[in-house]
Amino acid sequence: AQKVTQAQTEISVVEKEDVTLDCVYETRDTTYYLFWYKQPPSGELVFLIRRNSFDEQNEISGRYSWNFQKSTSSFNFTITASQVVDSAVYFCALVMDSSYKLIFGSGTRLLVRP
Amino acid sequence: DTGVSQNPRHKITKRGQNVTFRCDPISEHNRLYWYRQTLGQGPEFLTYFQNEAQLEKSRLLSDRFSAERPKGSFSTLEIQRTEQGDSAMYLCASSSDRAEDIQYFGAGTRLSVL
Repeated sequence: AQKVTQAQTEISVVEKEDVTLDCVYETRDTTYYLFWYKQPPSGELVFLIRRNSFDEQNEISGRYSWNFQKSTSSFNFTITASQVVDSAVYFCALVMDSSYKLIFGSGTRLLVRP
Repeated sequence: DTGVSQNPRHKITKRGQNVTFRCDPISEHNRLYWYRQTLGQGPEFLTYFQNEAQLEKSRLLSDRFSAERPKGSFSTLEIQRTEQGDSAMYLCASSSDRAEDIQYFGAGTRLSVL
């Protein structure tokens, strides 16, 4: 069965702190894709990053970075120097190549306090 | 703006009434998806279309739910004889043809069944 687990329900940090959101996934497929989405209070899911199962190269984009490790089935997301505007719910999601539906975790609510 | 558009944004109805939601995808996208999100949870897949063909339906989609995508453009999701348990955010997304393609989401329709 396919599953995405985000064990952190809520994280609260002070502005300018670094914060890492954890994501662990389960799948037996060898080809799959991992995503992070952000859901601000307005409700619209905003795409942040995609990785395929063959690309374990980690990446930094501005204040965002991603750590994908197949050995531990983890796809963690880090925000450096957090800002109040980063406050949102963040979802990790999985798509198998044999399917098209996103399988979401339960989300991590991030609160960045001024 | 050429993003995914959903109407209405909010719908309040009485138990037993029928409701219909509309989704207009990004114009060049062949795939359209419906998800449901309850409070504190990640979105759950309901159904998806490839052009006008409905190719997969979740077990969550009871026989009171029906979705259409005439002419492969906009889609409608109808719920008949609404129940309080139908109260949720209904999200629509669209994408190009591959599993790895990014699904872009609309702002959702929040349904409240009284």
